Amino acid sequence: GAVVSQHPSRVICKSGTSVKIECRSLDFQATTMFWYRQFPKQSLMLMATSNEGSKATYEQGVEKDKFLINHASLTLSTLTVTSAHPEDSSFYICSVLGADTQYFGPGTRLTVL
Amino acid sequence: GENVEQHPSTLSVQEGDSAVIKCTYSDSASNYFPWYKQELGKRPQLIIDIRSNVGEKKDQRIAVTLNKTAKHFSLHITETQPEDSAVYFCAAVSSGSARQLTFGSGTQLTVLP
Repeated sequence: GAVVSQHPSRVICKSGTSVKIECRSLDFQATTMFWYRQFPKQSLMLMATSNEGSKATYEQGVEKDKFLINHASLTLSTLTVTSAHPEDSSFYICSVLGADTQYFGPGTRLTVL
Repeated sequence: GENVEQHPSTLSVQEGDSAVIKCTYSDSASNYFPWYKQELGKRPQLIIDIRSNVGEKKDQRIAVTLNKTAKHFSLHITETQPEDSAVYFCAAVSSGSARQLTFGSGTQLTVLP
């Protein structure tokens, strides 16, 4: 399967600042990547589908102007949480769509103070 | 869209006993059903999957069954061990959804020594 990395693994920021999370596919050219958010003791909720070279597709209820996604290459997708607030604190996980299934990154724990 | 329901939300078993987790899905076009194990703060790990042309699949102590008519699928873990303790998620992928995963709500499995 694909090897997926995320950076940073943990980030703490002040309310109102922006945070960028990187998702890299290390050994697979990823046309499609997905971004999920997971609150404590809850399931993974799909935020958006990131397509290389085109605009991301956002799920209902996810603000595209707040969660900016860029997928400029086949190995990198970024998620920027703009003007972060405490309610954005969560575990953000990306995944890469392989031939058969999705391969997940290790996740980024975002804490907004 | 697809809706996946998962039961139970928590499950405690004695070491050596079997554990069964059940999921139902709503979209008859779904054709791929993976199961993930997630330990606290870690990424989901694919443990087994099944496609809609198969009724049962087994991998050592883990098995998955699929009933397409009833639209439900189940995870069976036999001879449970303490290291099986984790949160387990079922998921479904619809053939018409750009391979998006819809997750169940998760089951916290605790194996008591």
